[in-house]
Amino acid sequence: EAQVTQNPRYLITVTGKKLTVTCSQNMNHEYMSWYRQDPGLGLRQIYYSMNVEVTDKGDVPEGYKVSRKEKRNFPLILESPSPNQTSLYFCASSLLAGGEQYFGPGTRLTVT
Amino acid sequence: GESVGLHLPTLSVQEGDNSIINCAYSNSASDYFIWYKQESGKGPQFIIDIRSNMDKRQGQRVTVLLNKTVKHLSLQIAATQPGDSAVYFCAEKWTDSWGKLQFGAGTQVVVTP
Repeated sequence: EAQVTQNPRYLITVTGKKLTVTCSQNMNHEYMSWYRQDPGLGLRQIYYSMNVEVTDKGDVPEGYKVSRKEKRNFPLILESPSPNQTSLYFCASSLLAGGEQYFGPGTRLTVT
Repeated sequence: GESVGLHLPTLSVQEGDNSIINCAYSNSASDYFIWYKQESGKGPQFIIDIRSNMDKRQGQRVTVLLNKTVKHLSLQIAATQPGDSAVYFCAEKWTDSWGKLQFGAGTQVVVTP
């Protein structure tokens, strides 16, 4: 089944404790992206990747890192999480940039 | 910067009626627009897209209209069903930005029996 998977689905952590949210797609898509979703603000793009080893900042990249060493994986790294990073995070992929994106199920992160 | 917005945060529609969800965008350089549907507890799901060289595009029970003159995008859902209850987002891609998408805040559609 073609899908985008994220892990974990739920995470509660403390300020400053490094964490990684994994994202994987099995559709051989070149483009992948991370978004955060907050009430009243819609989806805001954090980082995106046009292909392996090619990443770029979205609208809200501060406090986040990403890597794209393999085509299928695009992990989101929070080196030192803060409470303002409490949010619902979505990973998405598409065959090419600017095309139909497939979204993962989301990761609910709470930073205390 | 310029952003995508929606006119109505909540739309209540009677089952069987047609729904119209509106979206205003301010960047005249946008060349691609997408509508997504997000059901409670799920990730957004692609509905339909349209490129800036088109005025209208139809899918199954959905139609997207693009009015570049007034920078307005709309999604029409025919014969709205209970399963159409969700949050609907429009998103735009700027011409010079292959990777970045700008999403609106979303409209909650509630289908009543």
